[in-house]
Amino acid sequence: GAVVSQHPSWVICKSGTSVKIECRSLDFQATTMFWYRQFPKQSLMLMATSNEGSKATYEQGVEKDKFLINHASLTLSTLTVTSAHPEDSSFYICSALFKNTEAFFGQGTRLTVV
Amino acid sequence: QKEVEQDPGPLSVPEGAIVSLNCTYSNSAFQYFMWYRQYSRKGPELLMYTYSSGNKEDGRFTAQVDKSSKYISLFIRDSQPSDSATYLCAMSRGQNFVFGPGTRLSVLP
Repeated sequence: GAVVSQHPSWVICKSGTSVKIECRSLDFQATTMFWYRQFPKQSLMLMATSNEGSKATYEQGVEKDKFLINHASLTLSTLTVTSAHPEDSSFYICSALFKNTEAFFGQGTRLTVV
Repeated sequence: QKEVEQDPGPLSVPEGAIVSLNCTYSNSAFQYFMWYRQYSRKGPELLMYTYSSGNKEDGRFTAQVDKSSKYISLFIRDSQPSDSATYLCAMSRGQNFVFGPGTRLSVLP
């Protein structure tokens, strides 16, 4: 299957700082990437759909000024959590859509804000 | 009605049992159907991918799609403790990609 790499796999940051998470499709080009958030023992919650070269589409209730998404190339999308607070601590997962059919996921990033 | 519904878990079975996981969907436009497995604190891993009604087999796993009933299933034969994970169904058409909430499976040795 296709490979999606997410980095970092875990990060601890201080409250008020910003954190950038990268999602790369290593062996295919992805016009569309998705960003999810997952709390323990809960299902994936879609945050936004990222399309290369255009603005991301955010789900209702997700603050676009807080969760900045940039899909600057066909192999890279980034999620920046700005002015992070402890309630932003979560597991963030990206996926990339392969040929508009199936999606492949990154390994996830565990963010802890202290 | 939610776009994709999945049988609630958690589901506990003894090792060696046959497991049946199911999803229903409401949007008949979906073209592609997938099953993912997610271990704790990991990203989901694609298990099976189909695009037509019928069965697709891969080792101990069989994916079944019934487009007329808008129903998909994943069967796991000879289940192993290592199959313990959350299983998510997913379906797509173009950039519209939707997940079920997932079923947590525990296979007890």
